[in-house]
Amino acid sequence: DAEITQSPRHKITETGRQVTLACHQTWNHNNMFWYRQDLGHGLRLIYYSAAADITDKGEVPDGYVVSRSKTENFPLTLESATRSQTSVYFCASSETPGNTIYFGEGSWLTVV
Amino acid sequence: DQQVKQNSPSLSVQEGRISILNCDYTNSMFDYFLWYKKYPAEGPTFLISISSIKDKNEDGRFTVFLNKSAKHLSLHIVPSQPGDSAVYFCAAAADRGSTLGRLYFGRGTQLTVWP
Repeated sequence: DAEITQSPRHKITETGRQVTLACHQTWNHNNMFWYRQDLGHGLRLIYYSAAADITDKGEVPDGYVVSRSKTENFPLTLESATRSQTSVYFCASSETPGNTIYFGEGSWLTVV
Repeated sequence: DQQVKQNSPSLSVQEGRISILNCDYTNSMFDYFLWYKKYPAEGPTFLISISSIKDKNEDGRFTVFLNKSAKHLSLHIVPSQPGDSAVYFCAAAADRGSTLGRLYFGRGTQLTVWP
């Protein structure tokens, strides 16, 4: 079955460290997204990508970097982690941007 | 500014009764609406959707109603079951298929169904 997977599922890191969250999908969807979920804020879009080598900022992009060299992968990098980036991160993909999107299982990140 | 609003952070319903989750939106360009369900420690999963050309869509125990003039949609679950206890997110999109289109999410409503 086609799927979307995230790794690591759980990570604890120190302030100032660089962290990369991986996301891989096997549907060959053009569109991929990174969301963070925080209490009281719901799901907020960090970055999205309409195709390989095309990325754009979402609502809360500061402190994050993405790349999309291959259609199936969309890694999210925290260049210098801060405590405010402690969150649950969800990767998602869809066939078209405004259509049903499918989420990964999430990556729990704690910055200490 | 939130374009999709779920004003009730929580809802508690007895098993067998109807659950009604509400969602309001501000952007009149939205033409496609979805509901997602999320269990703890899992990613959100798609539940049901509705296009703006319809005012109702039904799938088993789940029905979504859309009132375009009021910019309001609701999700009805009948009958509610304990396994329905989860966070429900409302989402909306405009320009489906366009590179400019994307989903906007509400903050979610925690539904608890008690026996």
